[in-house]
Amino acid sequence: GENVEQHPSTLSVQEGDSAVIKCTYSDSASNYFPWYKQELGKGPQLIIDIRSNVGEKKDQRIAVTLNKTAKHFSLHITETQPEDSAVYFCAASEGSGGSNYKLTFGKGTLLTVNP
Amino acid sequence: EAGVVQSPRYKIIEKKQPVAFWCNPISGHNTLYWYRQNLGQGPELLIRYENEEAVDDSQLPKDRFSAERLKGVDSTLKIQPAELGDSAVYLCASSLGFGELFFGSGTQLSVL
Repeated sequence: GENVEQHPSTLSVQEGDSAVIKCTYSDSASNYFPWYKQELGKGPQLIIDIRSNVGEKKDQRIAVTLNKTAKHFSLHITETQPEDSAVYFCAASEGSGGSNYKLTFGKGTLLTVNP
Repeated sequence: EAGVVQSPRYKIIEKKQPVAFWCNPISGHNTLYWYRQNLGQGPELLIRYENEEAVDDSQLPKDRFSAERLKGVDSTLKIQPAELGDSAVYLCASSLGFGELFFGSGTQLSVL
């Protein structure tokens, strides 16, 4: 099955700096890659996703890049704010089809933005 | 509009006791998922329903776990008997078909 590795496990940045979280996946047939933000005591919330037919997607301060050849995808947060502090999970869908029901999640990155 | 509602929020039980978790998905969402999230890990799928049918329960430990989704709306996940290793957060999520997953806040289970 799919295996998703996520790095780093913790990341501390100063407010206004950029943060980058990286993931690799093993199943070359995977074609849907969402990112979730999980705040303390809450369930994960989708913040951005990308499908394998595009290499980059941006939504205001958040961007995701995908390198299918290398099986890498990354989350980029610019101009970080204290409210960005949370655990971030990457995920990949098993097999083709783009369905998100068989998501395999990474282990998460605890992002701390210091004021 | 209300999101995915789960109860209870916390549950503490002794090992070998039964426990049940309840989930009310977003209105109109036909697909419902139960995930388990161990401390410091990402969620892992236990079971997926499309309407009232369990279409993927390959990750559900069927010797002690059971789930049902009567009438294709609310769902209940049960563990009987609970073991120490079952301590985790149990997350329910729903979606409209294969659309975006919306997660509830979860039930944090502690087995002593």
